[in-house]
Amino acid sequence: AQSVAQPEDQVNVAEGNPLTVKCTYSVSGNPYLFWYVQYPNRGLQFLLKYITGDNLVKGSYGFEAEFNKSQTSFHLKKPSALVSDSALYFCAVSVLLKSSGDKLTFGTGTRLAVRP
Amino acid sequence: DAGVIQSPRHEVTEMGQEVTLRCKPISGHNSLFWYRQTMMRGLELLIYFNNNVPIDDSGMPEDRFSAKMPNASFSTLKIQPSEPRDSAVYFCASSGDLYGYTFGSGTRLTVV
Repeated sequence: AQSVAQPEDQVNVAEGNPLTVKCTYSVSGNPYLFWYVQYPNRGLQFLLKYITGDNLVKGSYGFEAEFNKSQTSFHLKKPSALVSDSALYFCAVSVLLKSSGDKLTFGTGTRLAVRP
Repeated sequence: DAGVIQSPRHEVTEMGQEVTLRCKPISGHNSLFWYRQTMMRGLELLIYFNNNVPIDDSGMPEDRFSAKMPNASFSTLKIQPSEPRDSAVYFCASSGDLYGYTFGSGTRLTVV
């Protein structure tokens, strides 16, 4: 069974400072990893994904994530946080099952609060 | 592309009534997912379809919940009879394999 852990319920950071939102995963096989963001009263929006190739993935709004196979981690990072980055962030993992499509398993979410 | 379209956006109903939530996935996507989000339980997968066939419904809370996908462009999630504990935001998402999900804006259900 696949699983995702987001160990922090909330991350607080000052505007302009770097931010990191942590994610670790557990799968049998090669993982496909995703980050999503949810703003208040909205659905989840895709930020970035790792499928294969370069371990550093760049995504929307200046976010990036680094795939670390030995540590089974996929932490989300941004060099300089903005107040508008305040939202709920979800990490997700999938193992493609060709016979039945891909099923994403989501973490519990981390709330990012960026103070001015 | 209009994205994943869900209706209604908000639904308020009385306990015991039937509720039907609707979803139109992105054209060409072959997988469709229904999620429920609450403060207490977070994001829960209820059921997902691949090529219109239900693959995994283990997340459906009980027999009061049912979902159908009669064709590639439409799905429904029905709750009959509804209860106050069903109050949540219900999301539909579709996927075209390896590209992650596209979520709809959700239906906020309140059962009084």
